[in-house]
Amino acid sequence: DQQVKQNSPSLSVQEGRISILNCDYTNSMFDYFLWYKKYPAEGPTFLISISSIKDKNEDGRFTVFLNKSAKHLSLHIVPSQPGDSAVYFCADYNQGGKLIFGQGTELSVKP
Amino acid sequence: NAGVTQTPKFRILKIGQSMTLQCTQDMNHNYMYWYRQDPGMGLKLIYYSVGAGITDKGEVPNGYNVSRSTTEDFPLRLELAAPSQTSVYFCASSETGKETQYFGPGTRLLVL
Repeated sequence: DQQVKQNSPSLSVQEGRISILNCDYTNSMFDYFLWYKKYPAEGPTFLISISSIKDKNEDGRFTVFLNKSAKHLSLHIVPSQPGDSAVYFCADYNQGGKLIFGQGTELSVKP
Repeated sequence: NAGVTQTPKFRILKIGQSMTLQCTQDMNHNYMYWYRQDPGMGLKLIYYSVGAGITDKGEVPNGYNVSRSTTEDFPLRLELAAPSQTSVYFCASSETGKETQYFGPGTRLLVL
């Protein structure tokens, strides 16, 4: 059964510090993962992705790391800003090309 | 571009009532999706479509119906609303099945 799990429902970080959001997966078909960010009363927006040919992908303050042997990926935000406060979802593609989402982690960045 | 638009933003239904959630995209995307998000949960796929005239069930299709008569529109129909359908519904689209999905702002539905 293909699954994506985010075991931390919430995370609180001080502004300027690093935020680390974690995601575990099982039975990935393509080893291609995405992170989405969601603000209240808005739809999710794509943030960053990573494929199996890399173990790291960086985009500005956002870096995603993939550890295939541990079936684990993490999103690092450095430095964290109050505007980063949102719910973050990791997602994986299944064989039919449909996204499977984790439960989400609500990040709160305090000034 | 408006992207993906959804109406209404919020609706209260009584048990047994029916309604249609509207979704329109202006990006000429072939793929469209309906998800629901329950509190503390990830998004669950209800139905999806790979093009006009083609629809298929996702993970949680029971109690819903869809149609795709045009590329732009993908309405979601609830025939007999139940309290278990209280949720936030998101429509999304993508150019192909393996690219980034673009989401609408969501419809919050409360069934009492």
